[in-house]
Amino acid sequence: GNSVTQMEGPVTLSEEAFLTINCTYTATGYPSLFWYVQYPGEGLQLLLKATKADDKGSNKGFEATYRKETTSFHLEKGSVQVSDSAVYFCALRSRMDSSYKLIFGSGTRLLVRP
Amino acid sequence: DTEVTQTPKHLVMGMTNKKSLKCEQHMGHRAMYWYKQKAKKPPELMFVYSYEKLSINESVPSRFSPECPNSSLLNLHLHALQPEDSALYLCASSQGTEYSNQPQHFGDGTRLSIL
Repeated sequence: GNSVTQMEGPVTLSEEAFLTINCTYTATGYPSLFWYVQYPGEGLQLLLKATKADDKGSNKGFEATYRKETTSFHLEKGSVQVSDSAVYFCALRSRMDSSYKLIFGSGTRLLVRP
Repeated sequence: DTEVTQTPKHLVMGMTNKKSLKCEQHMGHRAMYWYKQKAKKPPELMFVYSYEKLSINESVPSRFSPECPNSSLLNLHLHALQPEDSALYLCASSQGTEYSNQPQHFGDGTRLSIL
């Protein structure tokens, strides 16, 4: 079945450090891929998406590239801020899946220290 | 600001109470979803409405009863809940279930506590 695997957290970084959060997936066909962010006490916000191989999604300094050959969609940011502290979820939606499910990874908590 | 609005933000209820959670979107989306999220876990899908018809029920206990009065509104009626039902309940919407490349947009959720 379809699945998403994210790196275990928490990830603790100093302000202005480089961020990578790994995400790999298993899916039939060519899924659409998403990164969502959840700040404390809030719902999920769409951070970025990519719908086909080699697409790069970007938003607010975050980037992720859809890599079909490695079935990966790693999230990166060149210089993190304290305000980026949140939980990040990688997710996929398969075109082959009639259940309409958004398949989430387990989430990665990011803590950025001043 | 989120484009999916959920009320109330917090709800405390006893196990014998009846209450409802409400969700509203004005993006013209034709698919709406209810999720349950426990602490430190990803959201779990509960129900999907497509064009105002229930299309998926993920084997949710009957003490949760969804309702979609129109394309902009989604309700979740609660009755005789158990302490383990305490969680964050998230509503989401998307353009349509047939558009797999379109994201789901989430509300800020209702934090539910069962006494």
